[in-house]
Amino acid sequence: QVQLVQSGAEVKKPGASVKVSCKASGYTFTDWYMHWVRQAPGQGLEWMGRIHPNSGATIYAQKFQDRFTMTRDTSISTAYMELSRLRSDDTAVYYCARDGHKWNFDYWGQGTLVTVSS
Amino acid sequence: QSALTQPPSVSGSPGQSVTISCTGTSSDVGSYNRVSWYQQSPGTAPKLLIYEVTNRPSGVPDRFSGSKSGNTASLTISGLQAEDEADYYCSSYTSRDTWVFGGGTKLTVL
Repeated sequence: QVQLVQSGAEVKKPGASVKVSCKASGYTFTDWYMHWVRQAPGQGLEWMGRIHPNSGATIYAQKFQDRFTMTRDTSISTAYMELSRLRSDDTAVYYCARDGHKWNFDYWGQGTLVTVSS
Repeated sequence: QSALTQPPSVSGSPGQSVTISCTGTSSDVGSYNRVSWYQQSPGTAPKLLIYEVTNRPSGVPDRFSGSKSGNTASLTISGLQAEDEADYYCSSYTSRDTWVFGGGTKLTVL
C-alpha cells in the first residue's frame, strides 16, 4: 500500500533553515509528482509547491519562491523540502502529498510540525 | 494567488443534507474541472473525498457528491452522520500551473 512517512518534529530559531523528508513506499516513486502543503495552527491548508521526482522539475507558489526548495533522492524514494530564513509565522505542520494524476492529492504524509521560536 | 472562498462553518442534523460552497475565479475553478475536496479530522492528515469536481475515489461513500457552476464548486453531504463532523477543504488547479486551497469549512453535526 502507498505510504508517505515524514521526518519528525523540529524546533528552530528565527532565521534558521529546516529540512523535512518524505519517504515513499508502495509505488514507483519516480512516476508520481509530489506536492508540499502546510497548515499553520488553527488555520487552513496552503499549497507550497510540486516536484517531479523523475526529472527534478519544480513549481513553487510565488509566496515561497525565494526561500523554499524541493529536492529528491530517487535512490531512496525520498522527497525533501527546505525552508530558509524561518520566521515565527512559518510555524506549521508541513505535509507531503502525492499527486494523484487527476489534479488532486491522493495520499498524504502524517505531517511534520515545525516550530519557529526564539 | 488568493485562497478560494468557503463558508467558515456549516451545520446539520443527522440524516439531513448540507452543502459547502467553494468560490474561485475564472483563473482557477471557473476554467478547469480540476477541483478536489478533502476531509480533515483533528490531528490527522487530509483525506481525498472528491476529484475532478464529481469523482469519488474508491472507498468514499456515495453520500459525498460534488458539482460546479461557473466559478463556484460545491460539496454535498447527504444523510449526515456523526462521523462526518470534520473540516472540509476544496482545492483547484490554476492557470499559473499552481494549486490553491479554500480557507476550510467546519462541519458540525448537531
